[in-house]
Amino acid sequence: DIQMTQSPSTLSASVGDRVSITCRASQSISISLAWYQQKPGKVPKLLIYKASSLKSGVPSRFSGSGSATEFTLTITSLQPDDSATYYCQQFKSYPYAFGQGTTLEIK
Amino acid sequence: EVQLVESGGGLVQPGGSLRLSCTASGYTFSSFSMTWVRQAPGKGLEWVSAISGIGTTTYYADSVKGRFTISRDNSKNILYLQMKSLRAEDTAIYHCARDLDWFDPWGQGTLVTVSP
Repeated sequence: DIQMTQSPSTLSASVGDRVSITCRASQSISISLAWYQQKPGKVPKLLIYKASSLKSGVPSRFSGSGSATEFTLTITSLQPDDSATYYCQQFKSYPYAFGQGTTLEIK
Repeated sequence: EVQLVESGGGLVQPGGSLRLSCTASGYTFSSFSMTWVRQAPGKGLEWVSAISGIGTTTYYADSVKGRFTISRDNSKNILYLQMKSLRAEDTAIYHCARDLDWFDPWGQGTLVTVSP
């Protein structure tokens, strides 16, 4: 089974900052990776699929990159509304798997 | 607008059973795979099970294999998750999601609590 590991687990940054979250796969998954945003008490929302494709309607401040085993979610010009937990998910093979999550706090 | 609405959650004793439903609307249900994802209180997301559009192919996480059964009724636009031999560690909010390999959108979820 493919394991997904995110770092850091928590992140604190200020409005206007640029932050990056890393997701590593235990084996190559090509670009079979998605990123989700979950705010407290809310349903997860898709941000990025196929590693770098931005879902329609998601602000362009969000971007994804990477392939094989290392991936990055980058958020530029942080906004207060970006405070959330972010998860990566591999869909290369079953069982699909999520990373453990990265909680982003806006100072 | 695509909508997914789960139901069927509740309080069940360890060893008990429960069947969750997910009613879909706003798209051609049978054209898409569907998935269940759960989230234990205060924890991360855990993929549980998936089923192909026509229902012939299913997948399960090791943690639920042999205890949970995913199915669908394309005539009614409903996805199901039959859960048996429930354990305390199955306590979670269960979300259904349209499965494009990535999951979008997600339903609001239904809470399953396994407790004496």
